[in-house]
Order: sequence, then C-alpha cells, then structure tokens
Amino acid sequence: KQEVTQIPAALSVPEGENLVLNCSFTDSAIYNLQWFRQDPGKGLTSLLLIQSSQREQTSGRLNASLDKSSGRSTLYIAASQPGDSATYLCAVLNGGTSYGKLTFGQGTILTVHP
Amino acid sequence: DGGITQSPKYLFRKEGQNVTLSCEQNLNHDAMYWYRQDPGQGLRLIYYSQIVNDFQKGDIAEGYSVSREKKESFPLTVTSAQKNPTAFYLCASTTGRGTEAFFGQGTRLTVV
Repeated sequence: KQEVTQIPAALSVPEGENLVLNCSFTDSAIYNLQWFRQDPGKGLTSLLLIQSSQREQTSGRLNASLDKSSGRSTLYIAASQPGDSATYLCAVLNGGTSYGKLTFGQGTILTVHP
Repeated sequence: DGGITQSPKYLFRKEGQNVTLSCEQNLNHDAMYWYRQDPGQGLRLIYYSQIVNDFQKGDIAEGYSVSREKKESFPLTVTSAQKNPTAFYLCASTTGRGTEAFFGQGTRLTVV
C-alpha cells in the first residue's frame, strides 16, 4: 500500500527566507508526483507536476525535484513571501497494483511572517 | 472555462439521512476521485473511478456510495451508515495517466 509522508508538519519562517518542504513515498511505481497548495476552507491549487521520468520542474520561485528510486521529492520555495502562507500537499499517482489511485501526504502548514 | 464544479458549497444533514454531493467536470477527464478532509488528517480517498460505469473503493469507503453513469459526473452519497460524516469533501479529476489533477472547491458537510 502506497504511503506518502510530508516533513515538517508545520514551518514558520520570516519573509525572504528560502525553504524546503519534503515528501517521501513508499512505492516507486508511480506515474507522477504533484505539489498542491491549499488555502483555509478552499480547494487545492496545483503548483507543479513532475512525471516519473523527470528529475525536476520549475515555476517562478518554486522548484520541485523527484528522486523516484529513493521515493523522495522536495519543494523549494525561494524568497518566501507572506502570501505563500498556506498548506502544501504532495500527491502521487500510482501505477502497479494501485493503478490510478491518487495518494496524498498529510501536508505542511507554512507560515511566512512579514 | 473548463473545470470541476462541486455543489452545494455547504450542506447540513440530519441524523439518519442520506445526502448526495454533486461533482461535475467539463475537462473531458476519464478519472474522477472523492476525498474527505478532516482537520489534521490530510486527504483520505473515499472512491475513485477510471472509466464510466466502473469505480473502486478507496481507503475509507464504508458509509459512502458513488455512481459513474456519465463521464462528466461522479456524485457521492453519504449514507446513514457513515457515523461521522462531518468533514470537507473534495472532488478531483485527471485524464488517468500522468496528467495534472484538478480539484473542485469542496463541499462542507455538517451533521445537525
């Protein structure tokens, strides 16, 4: 059974800092890994999608990497801003015996102080 | 605009009632998903469907039922057998293999 873990559970940083969020998964038979942002009481907004054959993706101040063989992904946020405060979730789209199942981590709650 | 529409945004259920949450997508996606979100517990998969007229149980299917009669629609029924239904429910869709997943804005269900 695929399990996805995110570390840390919560993170509080001053504005301007660079930061790294971590995601690990137990079954490497995945199609892709996706990072999402969720604001309180809202749905999920997709940030970055990394296919299983890719190593990283970048969008603006965000960079996500994927090491499929070790079951790890990181989301790097450069020059953090108060508007980045939200919950960040990673999810893997499973292949293999769990084909098509989209499994989430518990999320990292990020607070960026002005 | 293409996207996923969930309705209603807020839903109140009395004890012993069945209620149905709507999820409609116009993205021409094959796969659709229902998740439940409780504070501090992340998203847990209830049911998912890869194709019309087929669906699979997720991790917490007990007390829930779904149907997939049309590609665009994947309604979720919360039955009276679900003892603790108060939660935030999210619907998602993908093309099924390797593409970006999109989410609706959620339905908040409260038992009164």
